[in-house]
Amino acid sequence: ELKVEQNPLFLSMQEGKNYTIYCNYSTTSDRLYWYRQDPGKSLESLFVLLSNGAVKQEGRLMASLDTKARLSTLHITAAVHDLSATYFCAASHFTGNQFYFGTGTSLTVIP
Amino acid sequence: DTGVSQNPRHKITKRGQNVTFRCDPISEHNRLYWYRQTLGQGPEFLTYFQNEAQLEKSRLLSDRFSAERPKGSFSTLEIQRTEQGDSAMYLCASSSIAGNEQFFGPGTRLTVL
Repeated sequence: ELKVEQNPLFLSMQEGKNYTIYCNYSTTSDRLYWYRQDPGKSLESLFVLLSNGAVKQEGRLMASLDTKARLSTLHITAAVHDLSATYFCAASHFTGNQFYFGTGTSLTVIP
Repeated sequence: DTGVSQNPRHKITKRGQNVTFRCDPISEHNRLYWYRQTLGQGPEFLTYFQNEAQLEKSRLLSDRFSAERPKGSFSTLEIQRTEQGDSAMYLCASSSIAGNEQFFGPGTRLTVL
């Protein structure tokens, strides 16, 4: 079974600061996904990373994938309050369909 | 709205009752997934359909749980003899066969009293 771990679990940061969320997974996976979830809401897809070295950016968020290290990162640049949410990474096996989710990182951006 | 829809959005039931949830995927998506999410945790996979065929089931899907997708469009998830431990958010997602991304619905929050 593919295990996915995120850290930190909780992150409180000031507006304007930068920070990185880390996502490690246990076995070979060529597919890594990042989702955002607001309280009481469903999951919103942020990034799909499908190959080693993949880097994607959207606004203040940038995600990368290192399949050799089994590590993905979600970097936040110059945080703003609107980014407060829980962020999940998920991995899947190349031939599989099931997503394995991490426990999430609850991000609070303080004005 | 062309996204994934789920009904009901909230369900409160007494222990021992049966409940059924419905999911309507994005219309052109062949694949449909059910996940369960408890408070403070990430979603956990329950089962997945490709068209009307149920291709994969998690060990989490006990014999009290049954899912169907009879015509390859909407799906239902039934829980029989509900227990308090069944209280969770039940999420449905869909994807195309060629697609890598799963799109999630708003979820059904189940509370078992």
